[in-house]
Amino acid sequence: QSVLTQPPSASGTPGQRVTISCSGSRSNIGSNSVYWYQQLPGTAPKVLIYSNNQRPSGVPERFSGSKSGTSASLAISGLRSEDEADYYCATWDDNLSGPHVIFGGGTKLTVL
Amino acid sequence: EVLLVESGGGLVKPGGSLRLSCAASEFTFSNYNMDWVRQAPGKGLEWVSSISSTSSFINYADSVKGRFTISRDNAKNSLYLHMNSLRVDDTAVYFCARENSFYGLDVWGQGTTVTVSS
Repeated sequence: QSVLTQPPSASGTPGQRVTISCSGSRSNIGSNSVYWYQQLPGTAPKVLIYSNNQRPSGVPERFSGSKSGTSASLAISGLRSEDEADYYCATWDDNLSGPHVIFGGGTKLTVL
Repeated sequence: EVLLVESGGGLVKPGGSLRLSCAASEFTFSNYNMDWVRQAPGKGLEWVSSISSTSSFINYADSVKGRFTISRDNAKNSLYLHMNSLRVDDTAVYFCARENSFYGLDVWGQGTTVTVSS
């Protein structure tokens, strides 16, 4: 059971806009930046969004992130077949030993 | 090109031990905190452990605390994960990742597979 809650699946047709949600709490999303990772089949995760809504160089403008309170979302517009992947939200959390990253359970995006 | 390359995975019996390594190149390894993240077959990402740039701060997930030990050798640009008392549910692909306070886990290795089975 992940601390951050994501829908297990999402889908859309080419050209559509799809949104993936990520729900947390005041101690994690409510207090820290949110990141989104894209994991294509058989590959390592890659940063898609950092600091809630910033895109690293090379990530298309079709990908956008937002955060409000203890929730965040990833939007993909102009859906393309190559966007079919697993998407994970992440943020920082704190335990007795110090801050560490926590992940959502992941959302499998299918392009129909 | 900034690169992380893991090695050391393999098949081990329950109760056994394994040491994973992660070799870093093309960046100043000693400036960065580093993490191990694992992914069980068909499952999501799970943070395992992190170590600060000078090894001053070390943290573990509850699922591995007391069994796994993270360490690093900045002179060799290398990160390690010593895994003892391995269990079947430790079976996963283990990734090392560079931690960036602004960009998150911004560089990942390709992963090394650990299979715990009798």
